[in-house]
Amino acid sequence: DADVTQTPRNRITKTGKRIMLECSQTKGHDRMYWYRQDPGLGLQLIYYSFDVKDINKGEISDGYSVSRQAQAKFSLSLESAIPNQTALYFCATSGSGGTDTQYFGPGTRLTVL
Amino acid sequence: QKEVEQNSGPLSVPEGAIASLNCTYSDRGSQSFFWYRQYSGKSPELIMFIYSNGDKEDGRFTAQLNKASQYVSLLIRDSQPSDSATYLCAVNTGGGNKLTFGTGTQLKVEL
Repeated sequence: DADVTQTPRNRITKTGKRIMLECSQTKGHDRMYWYRQDPGLGLQLIYYSFDVKDINKGEISDGYSVSRQAQAKFSLSLESAIPNQTALYFCATSGSGGTDTQYFGPGTRLTVL
Repeated sequence: QKEVEQNSGPLSVPEGAIASLNCTYSDRGSQSFFWYRQYSGKSPELIMFIYSNGDKEDGRFTAQLNKASQYVSLLIRDSQPSDSATYLCAVNTGGGNKLTFGTGTQLKVEL
């Protein structure tokens, strides 16, 4: 089984809809991250969480919110989706024991019509 | 100036050749550096990381770090068609396990 899972893997939605992307991990890591990737723009950090009670905005948090339900679960919500949020979304995790290597989930391809 | 810069490519090399991928970064306080490989539509996967100046080898891959020049590179020896992918350079630019990614270099290994 994969260490970092994301659901759904693909989603098509309409402008104005609320949507939630979920991430779960079995790596036992404290730290979790949400990124979006657009062609030619690389990975941009949306939100990150260093533990259940520590959530921080990344460089492109506007229009997004997150919830850290447990150490293993980190959800990303789009309250009112808009077409320019069409992108590939990745969840990642890392440990807090001195290494900062991040491990990525398989991604969610989101299309907002 | 972007914090982490890479040439977008594509970089084309013949099979069996050495591919050299480069990355520069702006934060002199950066302590850790990572190379990820990403196939189209897939998630980034870690190739290797480097913390200290000099070379670090892992199989066909060698990472090179020069903190004085703020430069990190990845060499791929005996390039194979399966190495064709986008290579992302990532740098810990602020501590606290936040990574800043470059936009990636597309590598094409031609038969």
